[in-house]
Amino acid sequence: IVLTQSPATLSLSPGERATLSCRASQSVGSYLAWYQQKPGQAPRLLIYDASNRATGIPARFSGSGSGTDFTLSISSLEPEDFAVYYCQQRSDWPTFGGGTKVEIK
Amino acid sequence: QVQLQESGPGLVKPSQTLSLTCTVSGGSISSGAYYWSWIRQHPGEGLEWIGYIYYSGSTYYSPSLKSRLTISFNTSKNQFSLKLSSVTAADTAVYYCARSSLSRVIDYWGQGTQVTVSS
Repeated sequence: IVLTQSPATLSLSPGERATLSCRASQSVGSYLAWYQQKPGQAPRLLIYDASNRATGIPARFSGSGSGTDFTLSISSLEPEDFAVYYCQQRSDWPTFGGGTKVEIK
Repeated sequence: QVQLQESGPGLVKPSQTLSLTCTVSGGSISSGAYYWSWIRQHPGEGLEWIGYIYYSGSTYYSPSLKSRLTISFNTSKNQFSLKLSSVTAADTAVYYCARSSLSRVIDYWGQGTQVTVSS
Protein backbone atom coordinates (compact mmCIF):
# COMPACT_ATOMS: atom_id res chain seq x y z
CA ILE A 1 0.00 0.00 0.00
CA VAL A 2 1.45 3.34 -1.10
CA LEU A 3 0.97 6.37 1.13
CA THR A 4 1.21 9.79 -0.51
CA GLN A 5 1.72 12.78 1.74
CA SER A 6 1.02 16.37 0.78
CA PRO A 7 2.28 18.94 0.64
CA ALA A 8 5.94 17.96 0.59
CA THR A 9 6.78 21.18 2.43
CA LEU A 10 4.56 23.45 4.49
CA SER A 11 5.89 26.92 5.36
CA LEU A 12 4.10 28.43 8.34
CA SER A 13 4.70 30.77 11.24
CA PRO A 14 4.51 29.89 14.93
CA GLY A 15 0.93 30.13 16.13
CA GLU A 16 -0.54 29.16 12.76
CA ARG A 17 -2.55 26.01 12.11
CA ALA A 18 -0.93 23.18 10.15
CA THR A 19 -2.93 20.69 8.11
CA LEU A 20 -1.08 17.68 6.68
CA SER A 21 -2.58 15.11 4.34
CA CYS A 22 -1.92 11.41 3.84
CA ARG A 23 -3.66 9.45 1.09
CA ALA A 24 -3.52 5.66 0.78
CA SER A 25 -3.59 3.77 -2.51
CA GLN A 26 -6.28 1.49 -1.06
CA SER A 27 -8.35 1.50 2.08
CA VAL A 28 -6.46 1.02 5.34
CA GLY A 29 -9.53 1.42 7.54
CA SER A 30 -8.39 3.35 10.60
CA TYR A 31 -5.00 1.65 10.71
CA LEU A 32 -2.95 4.79 10.28
CA ALA A 33 -0.35 6.38 12.54
CA TRP A 34 1.57 9.65 12.46
CA TYR A 35 5.16 10.22 13.56
CA GLN A 36 7.28 13.33 14.01
CA GLN A 37 10.98 13.32 13.18
CA LYS A 38 13.50 16.05 13.97
CA PRO A 39 16.96 16.21 12.37
CA GLY A 40 19.34 13.61 13.71
CA GLN A 41 16.63 11.95 15.81
CA ALA A 42 14.47 8.88 15.55
CA PRO A 43 10.79 9.38 14.81
CA ARG A 44 8.32 9.83 17.66
CA LEU A 45 4.79 8.45 17.68
CA LEU A 46 2.10 11.14 17.73
CA ILE A 47 -1.16 9.52 16.65
CA TYR A 48 -2.26 5.90 16.21
CA ASP A 49 -5.38 4.37 14.71
CA ALA A 50 -6.06 7.62 12.85
CA SER A 51 -7.20 9.74 15.78
CA ASN A 52 -5.74 8.52 19.09
CA ARG A 53 -2.99 10.62 20.63
CA ALA A 54 -0.03 8.69 21.98
CA THR A 55 1.00 9.05 25.59
CA GLY A 56 2.37 12.50 26.39
CA ILE A 57 1.41 14.09 23.07
CA PRO A 58 -0.06 17.60 23.45
CA ALA A 59 -3.69 18.22 22.63
CA ARG A 60 -2.77 20.61 19.80
CA PHE A 61 -2.04 17.49 17.71
CA SER A 62 -5.09 15.77 16.28
CA GLY A 63 -5.72 13.18 13.62
CA SER A 64 -8.75 12.36 11.54
CA GLY A 65 -9.86 10.30 8.58
CA SER A 66 -10.54 6.73 7.55
CA GLY A 67 -10.32 4.57 4.47
CA THR A 68 -7.92 6.32 2.13
CA ASP A 69 -7.80 9.95 3.31
CA PHE A 70 -6.26 11.12 6.55
CA THR A 71 -5.30 14.43 8.11
CA LEU A 72 -2.92 15.46 10.86
CA SER A 73 -3.69 18.89 12.30
CA ILE A 74 -1.58 21.00 14.60
CA SER A 75 -3.86 23.68 15.98
CA SER A 76 -1.23 26.29 16.84
CA LEU A 77 2.37 25.65 15.89
CA GLU A 78 4.95 25.81 18.66
CA PRO A 79 8.66 26.31 17.83
CA GLU A 80 9.37 22.66 18.65
CA ASP A 81 6.77 21.45 16.10
CA PHE A 82 8.86 22.36 13.07
CA ALA A 83 9.93 18.93 11.85
CA VAL A 84 9.13 16.23 9.31
CA TYR A 85 5.92 14.24 9.74
CA TYR A 86 5.33 10.73 8.43
CA CYS A 87 2.19 8.67 8.19
CA GLN A 88 2.33 4.87 8.46
CA GLN A 89 -0.29 2.22 7.69
CA ARG A 90 -0.53 -1.20 9.27
CA SER A 91 -3.38 -2.66 7.23
CA ASP A 92 -0.97 -4.64 5.09
CA TRP A 93 2.82 -4.86 5.23
CA PRO A 94 3.64 -1.64 7.14
CA THR A 95 4.60 1.25 4.93
CA PHE A 96 5.35 4.91 5.48
CA GLY A 97 4.52 8.00 3.48
CA GLY A 98 7.25 10.15 1.99
CA GLY A 99 6.89 12.80 4.68
CA THR A 100 5.82 16.44 5.00
CA LYS A 101 8.34 18.96 6.22
CA VAL A 102 6.86 21.74 8.33
CA GLU A 103 9.27 24.65 8.16
CA ILE A 104 9.34 28.13 9.63
CA LYS A 105 8.10 30.76 7.24
CA GLN B 1 11.84 3.20 30.39
CA VAL B 2 12.68 0.96 27.44
CA GLN B 3 15.83 1.81 25.54
CA LEU B 4 17.16 0.31 22.33
CA GLN B 5 20.70 0.67 20.98
CA GLU B 6 21.96 -0.42 17.59
CA SER B 7 25.53 -1.60 17.08
CA GLY B 8 27.54 -2.91 14.17
CA PRO B 9 29.91 -1.90 11.38
CA GLY B 10 29.32 1.45 9.75
CA LEU B 11 30.92 0.38 6.49
CA VAL B 12 30.18 -2.77 4.53
CA LYS B 13 31.61 -3.81 1.17
CA PRO B 14 29.30 -4.55 -1.75
CA SER B 15 28.17 -8.18 -1.99
CA GLN B 16 28.95 -8.79 1.70
CA THR B 17 26.52 -9.26 4.60
CA LEU B 18 25.37 -6.36 6.73
CA SER B 19 25.04 -7.38 10.38
CA LEU B 20 23.53 -5.25 13.13
CA THR B 21 22.54 -5.94 16.72
CA CYS B 22 19.98 -4.17 18.87
CA THR B 23 20.44 -4.29 22.63
CA VAL B 24 17.26 -3.73 24.62
CA SER B 25 17.27 -2.42 28.18
CA GLY B 26 14.41 -1.62 30.52
CA GLY B 27 12.27 -4.45 29.18
CA SER B 28 12.46 -8.07 28.08
CA ILE B 29 12.41 -9.11 24.42
CA SER B 30 10.70 -12.27 25.64
CA SER B 31 7.49 -10.34 26.27
CA GLY B 32 4.63 -11.57 24.15
CA ALA B 33 3.18 -8.07 23.94
CA TYR B 34 5.55 -6.67 21.33
CA TYR B 35 7.24 -7.09 17.99
CA TRP B 36 10.90 -6.19 17.62
CA SER B 37 11.60 -4.45 14.37
CA TRP B 38 14.19 -3.09 11.99
CA ILE B 39 13.44 0.02 9.96
CA ARG B 40 15.75 1.91 7.66
CA GLN B 41 15.90 5.39 6.21
CA HIS B 42 17.76 6.09 3.00
CA PRO B 43 19.66 9.40 2.85
CA GLY B 44 17.21 12.28 2.71
CA GLU B 45 14.28 9.95 2.18
CA GLY B 46 11.42 8.32 4.01
CA LEU B 47 11.23 5.24 6.17
CA GLU B 48 11.11 1.59 5.18
CA TRP B 49 9.99 -1.19 7.54
CA ILE B 50 12.41 -4.04 6.88
CA GLY B 51 11.08 -6.76 9.14
CA TYR B 52 10.20 -7.83 12.65
CA ILE B 53 10.37 -10.76 15.04
CA TYR B 54 8.05 -12.03 17.75
CA TYR B 55 9.14 -13.59 21.05
CA SER B 56 8.16 -17.02 19.71
CA GLY B 57 10.80 -16.63 17.03
CA SER B 58 8.33 -16.02 14.23
CA THR B 59 9.71 -13.59 11.69
CA TYR B 60 8.04 -11.28 9.20
CA TYR B 61 10.00 -9.77 6.35
CA SER B 62 9.43 -7.07 3.78
CA PRO B 63 8.50 -8.73 0.48
CA SER B 64 11.19 -6.73 -1.29
CA LEU B 65 13.98 -7.90 1.05
CA LYS B 66 12.76 -11.33 2.08
CA SER B 67 15.31 -13.29 0.06
CA ARG B 68 18.28 -11.49 1.67
CA LEU B 69 17.07 -10.90 5.22
CA THR B 70 17.37 -12.74 8.52
CA ILE B 71 16.21 -11.42 11.90
CA SER B 72 16.95 -13.41 15.02
CA PHE B 73 17.03 -13.25 18.82
CA ASN B 74 19.78 -13.64 21.38
CA THR B 75 17.52 -13.88 24.40
CA SER B 76 20.33 -14.44 26.89
CA LYS B 77 21.68 -10.99 26.04
CA ASN B 78 18.26 -9.39 25.48
CA GLN B 79 19.25 -8.62 21.91
CA PHE B 80 17.92 -9.12 18.43
CA SER B 81 19.86 -8.97 15.22
CA LEU B 82 19.58 -8.23 11.52
CA LYS B 83 21.56 -9.82 8.71
CA LEU B 84 21.15 -8.53 5.17
CA SER B 85 23.11 -10.41 2.55
CA SER B 86 24.48 -9.41 -0.86
CA VAL B 87 24.34 -5.72 -0.11
CA THR B 88 24.65 -2.97 -2.71
CA ALA B 89 24.88 0.81 -2.52
CA ALA B 90 21.07 0.86 -2.41
CA ASP B 91 21.29 -0.60 1.11
CA THR B 92 23.12 2.47 2.38
CA ALA B 93 20.85 3.95 5.05
CA VAL B 94 20.34 4.74 8.69
CA TYR B 95 19.12 1.57 10.34
CA TYR B 96 16.81 1.78 13.35
CA CYS B 97 15.74 -0.94 15.71
CA ALA B 98 12.38 -0.43 17.33
CA ARG B 99 9.66 -1.93 19.49
CA SER B 100 6.10 -2.02 18.28
CA SER B 101 2.84 -3.17 19.72
CA LEU B 102 1.22 -6.22 18.14
CA SER B 103 -0.78 -3.73 16.10
CA ARG B 104 2.53 -2.64 14.54
CA VAL B 105 2.62 0.87 15.90
CA ILE B 106 6.13 1.81 17.01
CA ASP B 107 6.43 3.23 20.49
CA TYR B 108 10.19 3.02 21.09
CA TRP B 109 13.04 3.56 18.67
CA GLY B 110 16.79 3.22 18.87
CA GLN B 111 18.87 6.26 17.96
CA GLY B 112 19.76 4.77 14.58
CA THR B 113 23.07 3.76 13.06
CA GLN B 114 24.46 4.82 9.69
CA VAL B 115 25.53 1.98 7.43
CA THR B 116 27.34 2.75 4.20
CA VAL B 117 27.90 0.18 1.49
CA SER B 118 31.06 1.00 -0.39
CA SER B 119 34.26 -0.62 -1.50
